[in-house]
Amino acid sequence: QVQLVESGGSVVQPGGSLRLSCAASGFSFSTYGIHWVRQAPGKGLEWVAFIRSGGTKKYYADSVRGRFTISREDSKNTLHLQMNSLRAEDTAVYHCARGRVVAPTEFDYWGQGTQVTVSS
Amino acid sequence: QSVLTQPPSASGTPGQRVIISCSGSSSNIGTNTVNWYRQIPGTAPKLLIYSNNQRPSGVPDRFSGSKSGTSASLAISGLQSEDEADYYCAAWDDSLNGVVFGGGTKLTVL
Repeated sequence: QVQLVESGGSVVQPGGSLRLSCAASGFSFSTYGIHWVRQAPGKGLEWVAFIRSGGTKKYYADSVRGRFTISREDSKNTLHLQMNSLRAEDTAVYHCARGRVVAPTEFDYWGQGTQVTVSS
Repeated sequence: QSVLTQPPSASGTPGQRVIISCSGSSSNIGTNTVNWYRQIPGTAPKLLIYSNNQRPSGVPDRFSGSKSGTSASLAISGLQSEDEADYYCAAWDDSLNGVVFGGGTKLTVL
């Protein structure tokens, strides 16, 4: 069955860096576009970034562009999110979500998420 | 402030029909398909409706989606207590070049 498992969340100081990973299984990872979506405490869902299959096209929310970098290692069925210059407002649970093959911007499977806390 | 606008809350009694609205603009709902996600607090969201009105396998036909112009709606008929959850609409936005979400609607079954 399709599984997405995030890791790498932690407590980090403002201005610090963190690298999240999302390990995929149960499907042909390289065929799918994958997203990061976050949810701040008590708030709604916020899309963060998207990488298409093949890795050539990447998209970012304005709130993270220039600070976050999405990447993928198809040989390891793994998605990454490198987060630099972290701010308090980046505190959230970060989920990876698979896009549908025929409609990559529609998320058909989600991971449980990893907690990122930015605090001094 | 979310790009897509949803009512923050909705409610109904068991067996009733409830409709949750989602309002956008020409750059998102007006041009692209709408999806609905359901989330029980503390758990991962799940896809409920995709491509405006399609249900993934396993989603009961009590749930239906529709879209007209720059607005969309999710209808839940035969309301059940287990339908209590947060519901989010989402669509790709051509101007922002990203996915935009509604602020979420908390559904309460009275």
